[in-house]
Amino acid sequence: QQPVQSPQAVILREGEDAVINCSSSKALYSVHWYRQKHGEAPVFLMILLKGGEQKGHEKISASFNEKKQQSSLYLTASQLSYSGTYFCGTGDPDDYKLSFGAGTTVTVRA
Amino acid sequence: EADIYQTPRYLVIGTGKKITLECSQTMGHDKMYWYQQDPGMELHLIHYSYGVNSTEKGDLSSESTVSRIRTEHFPLTLESARPSHTSQYLCASRWGGVNTEAFFGQGTRLTVV
Repeated sequence: QQPVQSPQAVILREGEDAVINCSSSKALYSVHWYRQKHGEAPVFLMILLKGGEQKGHEKISASFNEKKQQSSLYLTASQLSYSGTYFCGTGDPDDYKLSFGAGTTVTVRA
Repeated sequence: EADIYQTPRYLVIGTGKKITLECSQTMGHDKMYWYQQDPGMELHLIHYSYGVNSTEKGDLSSESTVSRIRTEHFPLTLESARPSHTSQYLCASRWGGVNTEAFFGQGTRLTVV
């Protein structure tokens, strides 16, 4: 089952904040966040694990609510370089699947 | 830097042809994945493997097949290409369980005419 992301798209001015949400109908063990720029491969941002451990990017933060089966990615004081499509992925420990949501396209304007 | 390679980067091929998209990684990762992505759209998992001689179908039904004879190699084959197969195909790999990051190749953009 693929995770569900919202919103589909967001337009920001430099310096503004945004939140991207990711939810799943299944119990979450880990949530991955990746960013893909146009014409490039997705690049790892961070992983959030059950129990609160977090690994990844220094300047982008995220939260993981195991009870609600949700994760949120926070883009704070956005920069032009934050533009791209953000994907959340959920890992299944039983069969090692890694499935992604539909993505959220972020456009940061000067 | 990720050491995962996909060839070719671009391929234009006629309907009915058999094609194989190559994916290789030099990181010794045991898990490998194929995703299909239309431009600007979501990543659809079509196949994955958790080790040599193991392959599984993903979330999106696909007419393609995969094999995993060697750890580092995970090719995807279309026996008879059709225009509906036109898309970008991304390969990824990672090591271990659900708490490890995936590394993506640059993708193969396939056009079937």
